[in-house]
Amino acid sequence: DSGVTQTPKHLITATGQRVTLRCSPRSGDLSVYWYQQSLDQGLQFLIQYYNGEERAKGNILERFSAQQFPDLHSELNLSSLELGDSALYFCASSLQGRADTQYFGPGTRLTVL
Amino acid sequence: AQKVTQAQTEISVVEKEDVTLDCVYETRDTTYYLFWYKQPPSGELVFLIRRNSFDEQNEISGRYSWNFQKSTSSFNFTITASQVVDSAVYFCALSSSGGSYIPTFGRGTSLIVHP
Repeated sequence: DSGVTQTPKHLITATGQRVTLRCSPRSGDLSVYWYQQSLDQGLQFLIQYYNGEERAKGNILERFSAQQFPDLHSELNLSSLELGDSALYFCASSLQGRADTQYFGPGTRLTVL
Repeated sequence: AQKVTQAQTEISVVEKEDVTLDCVYETRDTTYYLFWYKQPPSGELVFLIRRNSFDEQNEISGRYSWNFQKSTSSFNFTITASQVVDSAVYFCALSSSGGSYIPTFGRGTSLIVHP
């Protein structure tokens, strides 16, 4: 158990819908990262937050957004969902965010029908 | 730009065989960090090891060992006397200042250990 929690574990929804994925980092970690894992794209970095502020952005679609709250938990919002958004979404956390080891949550499996 | 190549897509072995998973990386930075993660069938990503570019000492942890060679830009992972529970996808990753310390992951190597 990495100490990072993600909810829900599974999510099934329809195209065009909006969903919110939630992540709680390890105790004491200030940095949260979101990744998307799909068969064709592999593990892709989406976005990083550090102590409530956006720090780095990867291949995140405009339909996707995230935020980190004062209690350091983070939410990833996915809207106008398409079939291609079906994937495993991971949250990871690290202490500071610079070269630290990232510890991953169990992931949320999103299926868009 | 940084890049990680795991050329072996899938490896199949019989229990008790030794197996080496290859990882080749590219970066222009002199300071960087290398990682290995394991993803068992249950799906979670489990951290295995982190090495920095200044420490080329090989590391052994039980049946696992890692061989870091800067001269060939490789960070290979060997499992000795493999077991069925080692069946998983293994990811190598690289982070450096040039990439804002966001890890770049390889595509992974799927290891299947048969009883």
